[in-house]
Amino acid sequence: DQQVKQNSPSLSVQEGRISILNCDYTNSMFDYFLWYKKYPAEGPTFLISISSIKDKNEDGRFTVFLNKSAKHLSLHIVPSQPGDSAVYFCAASVQAHSSASKIIFGSGTRLSIRP
Amino acid sequence: GAGVSQTPSNKVTEKGKYVELRCDPISGHTALYWYRQSLGQGPEFLIYFQGTGAADDSGLPNDRFFAVRPEGSVSTLKIQRTERGDSAVYLCASSFQGGRGYTFGSGTRLTVV
Repeated sequence: DQQVKQNSPSLSVQEGRISILNCDYTNSMFDYFLWYKKYPAEGPTFLISISSIKDKNEDGRFTVFLNKSAKHLSLHIVPSQPGDSAVYFCAASVQAHSSASKIIFGSGTRLSIRP
Repeated sequence: GAGVSQTPSNKVTEKGKYVELRCDPISGHTALYWYRQSLGQGPEFLIYFQGTGAADDSGLPNDRFFAVRPEGSVSTLKIQRTERGDSAVYLCASSFQGGRGYTFGSGTRLTVV
């Protein structure tokens, strides 16, 4: 069963507009959430994260929102730029032990920014 | 090097053969992770090392898969009697003391024919 779900496999947004990528999770024990970005033939790169004690984290054009009651998070990119075209993975983890931090990934959303 | 290095970048092998995939983590990173990504899916956790020991190997699909990290740095993922279903991109990541900001390598694309 998928603990982290990204129900939109693809999204197309016009350059300059806002991109909103959504993610749902099922495990209420998750305490840390991350977004990774992946270009073809490269490994995923860390983009932004949020702890479960917060509901918003902002870094430049990227903002992540967390709604714990709905077990939902979203990534907002504004304004969207051509270089943002990539696959975006939502991920979550549980700090089970003092050093364990296995991350569970969703299936990804392919974002395309059109001119 | 500055990043996580994985070799080879591509590997084609025949069904039933044995393969080894290598990962060189970032120097000083004590935690090392192996993931597998199939087409259209997100990375799937396989195993996690803290130092030399496997702290969590719950993601290894069966006993054909094994990983080692004998000196707490380089890790090798070993797959015996490969099957076509093992075809995927195998990703390695490392982090400092198990911190959650992983750095991934570019992966090894394994194709079993």
